[in-house]
Amino acid sequence: QKEVEQNSGPLSVPEGAIASLNCTYSDRGSQSFFWYRQYSGKSPELIMSIYSNGDKEDGRFTAQLNKASQYVSLLIRDSQPSDSATYLCAAFNQAGTALIFGKGTTLSVSS
Amino acid sequence: DVKVTQSSRYLVKRTGEKVFLECVQDMDHENMFWYRQDPGLGLRLIYFSYDVKMKEKGDIPEGYSVSREKKERFSLILESASTNQTSMYLCASSLGPAVDYGYTFGSGTRLTVV
Repeated sequence: QKEVEQNSGPLSVPEGAIASLNCTYSDRGSQSFFWYRQYSGKSPELIMSIYSNGDKEDGRFTAQLNKASQYVSLLIRDSQPSDSATYLCAAFNQAGTALIFGKGTTLSVSS
Repeated sequence: DVKVTQSSRYLVKRTGEKVFLECVQDMDHENMFWYRQDPGLGLRLIYFSYDVKMKEKGDIPEGYSVSREKKERFSLILESASTNQTSMYLCASSLGPAVDYGYTFGSGTRLTVV
């Protein structure tokens, strides 16, 4: 069973700081990775995808992928209280047909 | 704007009942998925479908079945509801290979079996 692992948190950062969320995956064959944000009581929404080694930036969010070390990370710059949510990392299953999700990291941004 | 609609936000059913959870997408997506989400266990894949009348088992299909008679609709069926099926059920869809597109999720159905 291929796995995606995340620290459950909570990760607490002050407003304006950089939040760093990490994820490791077990299948070296995984090619694409996704970060979702889930507010309490809501469904997950896609923030970013990343396929290649290195960094990918979108506004205040930066996804980082290191296939050799099998980890993916999400950096949130200038964190805001509205960023307080659970962040889910996801990678494809072995067949490449469906996403496997980590259990999520809860982020709390204090004002 | 893309939309995945789950028919019920909250549902309470009795043990042994047959339960239908409906999911409709208006984006002409090929691939549709059912997950359940439980505290401490995360999102787990129940079933998915990549075409009309096609279905594949996910990681936890026991006690569930699915139906996809039309491209836009994917139904999850609990054949005989049990208390351990109390959970948040999330439907998702994807335009093509989800490797390229990721998923769009519905708003979820919180099912309680009593």
